[in-house]
Amino acid sequence: ETGVTQTPRHLVMGMTNKKSLKCEQHLGHNAMYWYKQSAKKPLELMFVYSLEERVENNSVPSRFSPECPNSSHLFLHLHTLQPEDSALYLCASSQDGTSGGVETQYFGPGTRLLVL
Amino acid sequence: AQKVTQAQTEISVVEKEDVTLDCVYETRDTTYYLFWYKQPPSGELVFLIRRNSFDEQNEISGRYSWNFQKSTSSFNFTITASQVVDSAVYFCALSEDSNYQLIWGAGTKLIIKP
Repeated sequence: ETGVTQTPRHLVMGMTNKKSLKCEQHLGHNAMYWYKQSAKKPLELMFVYSLEERVENNSVPSRFSPECPNSSHLFLHLHTLQPEDSALYLCASSQDGTSGGVETQYFGPGTRLLVL
Repeated sequence: AQKVTQAQTEISVVEKEDVTLDCVYETRDTTYYLFWYKQPPSGELVFLIRRNSFDEQNEISGRYSWNFQKSTSSFNFTITASQVVDSAVYFCALSEDSNYQLIWGAGTKLIIKP
C-alpha cells in the first residue's frame, strides 16, 4: 500500500452507536491530522498529532476522541454523534513542521459519515 | 489575519478551453507557503503544488501552470487545454511559517464539459 489509507470509506451510524475511523500512512511521516469537510463549509482542522503527541485540538466536541498509537496510525473514535456531524472526514500526514517551516500534507481518500 | 479567497464558486468550460482559477491571500508574515489541491468526486485531496513566499517564479507542470504575484497577493492556477478528467473542486491554501496550520479557501468547482 502506498500513501495514506482510510477505513471505512463509508459509514452509517445511529446517534447511540460507537464507531472508529482508521487512518494509516505509508510515507514515513511523523505528523498526522484529522479534518472535517461539511457541505458548503471550509475544511476544518480537528486534531493534529506530531511525534505521537497531540499538538492541536480545535475546540472539537468530546464525542470525537482521537488516538495515535504510533506515527503510522491514527484513529478517530466516535460516540453519540449528532446528525450535524455527518461529513467527509479526511486524514492527512506530513513531516513534522511544528518546529518551524511548513511541510506538505498528503491526504487519504476520506470516510463519508452519515449519522442518522 | 490569515485569509484565502477563492471568489469563483463554480466554473464551467468546454473541453480544450483554457481556464484560470483565482486565489487571493492575506497574511502579515513575510515567510509563508501557498498550496493548491485537487479534490475529484472520489473525495481524496490531491496535492498539486507548494510554493514559498520567496520564490516568485511561475511554475509549469504539463498542462498546469501557476502564477504567483506577491504584489497582488495572488496565486492563480491555469489549466491549458482542459480535459474532462480535470473536473474537480480545487482548493488554494496558505500556511505561515510561524503556524503550521493550513488556511483553506472555499474551493472552486471546475466542470469540464465534453
